[in-house]
Order: sequence, then C-alpha cells, then structure tokens
Amino acid sequence: DIVMTQSPDSLAVSLGERATINCKSSQSLLYSSNNKNFLAWYQQKPGQPPKLLIYWATTRESGVPGRFSGSESGTDFTLTINDLQAEDVAVYYCQQYYTTPHTFGQGTKLDIK
Amino acid sequence: EVKLVESGGGLVKPGGSLRLSCAASGFTFTNTRMNWVRQAPGKGLEWVSSVSAANSYFYYSDSVKGRFTISRDNAKNLVFLQMNSLRAEDTAVYYCVRDKGGSWPYDAFDVWGQGTLVTVSS
Repeated sequence: DIVMTQSPDSLAVSLGERATINCKSSQSLLYSSNNKNFLAWYQQKPGQPPKLLIYWATTRESGVPGRFSGSESGTDFTLTINDLQAEDVAVYYCQQYYTTPHTFGQGTKLDIK
Repeated sequence: EVKLVESGGGLVKPGGSLRLSCAASGFTFTNTRMNWVRQAPGKGLEWVSSVSAANSYFYYSDSVKGRFTISRDNAKNLVFLQMNSLRAEDTAVYYCVRDKGGSWPYDAFDVWGQGTLVTVSS
C-alpha cells in the first residue's frame, strides 16, 4: 500500500499569515498517460464531512478560495494557505487516488495562533 | 443540487450485520464511480470500498475484504454497503462519496454525504 505521511501533525498560524502543510507519498503518484499526480487535499471542519480543495496536486476545486494552493515535487506535496482566515481552522488531509487502497495522510490540525 | 444521503447506521453487536444505503441525487449517477470512506471517533479518514459506474468492478480495503460488500442500483440511484462479521474496530462514521469524474482510472472525491454512525458494541 502507498503510505501518505503528513507533517506537521498540528500547527498554529496567525491570522493573515501563511500556513504550509506537507505530504509525502511512499511511491510516485504520477500517471504517465496525463503526466499528473493523483493527489488530493481535503479540509474537514468539526462536525462536517471533508471538502475537496485541490486535485491533481495543484488544481483548485471550483469555489475554493484562491488563497489555497497546491504544489508538487516528485513524491513531496505541499498545501499552502495564504492570508489565513479564521474559517480556515480545520484538519487537512492529503490522499492518493493513484491506486487502491486510496490512502489518506494522518491529518494536520490547523489552529489560529 | 448534488446530494448524497446515507442511512442504515446504528448500534450492532460484534459479529452482527448492517446494511448502509446511500441515496444520490442531482447528477448522472450512472456515469460515476462511488465510494465509502469511514472515520473512527476522533481519528482520521480511511477509504473502505469503491464500485465502478457500471457495477462491474469492486475494490476493498484489506481491513474489510471478505466481510463487506459494496453494490449499487443504477435504476434507483442507490449505493449499498453490506457489512457482516462486524468488529469493534469498525465503529465509525461512514461517508458515501462520489468520484469527481473526468479522470481515469481513479479520481478525487468531490461530493461527500453527511455520514451515518455505525457503533459495534456489546
């Protein structure tokens, strides 16, 4: 199985600052047919189901604010939240959908400092 | 409005069975692979199972293989998860989830239901 490892497990960032969450996969998620990484980022607020933020590692889902962005470098992926807002407090998960089982990272809890 | 509504959760004894249902609406159900993802209390997300759009391919996590069966009724826009030989570690909120569509062979999960709680306890 592909192991997804997120870091850090939790972080606290001041309002208006930048939050950076990392995710590393144990093997390549790059699909040769379209040259895209099959990696998604989700946001889960307390008491709510997860919400898709980013897919193909860097493509923002429709309706997601532009302050959320994804980047990729080999098997390392990053979710960046610029200009942190109070409503961004949540747990963030990365997930690979390159193959089954579609494994998730353990989650990163983001709070306001 | 695109919507997924789960039902069928509840309290069951170890070794018992439960059947979850998911009613889909607001999109072309027959075009989309469907999934179940679970979340144990206070824990992270775990993919459980997927079924192809045509109900011909089935995928399971090792933790449920041989005990759970996924299926769908494309005439009624329903997805099911039959859960047998339930264990305490199956206790979780079970989410019905849609593939985003447009990616082959697999896709990100773009629509999630509110979830249904399954509690396995004596």
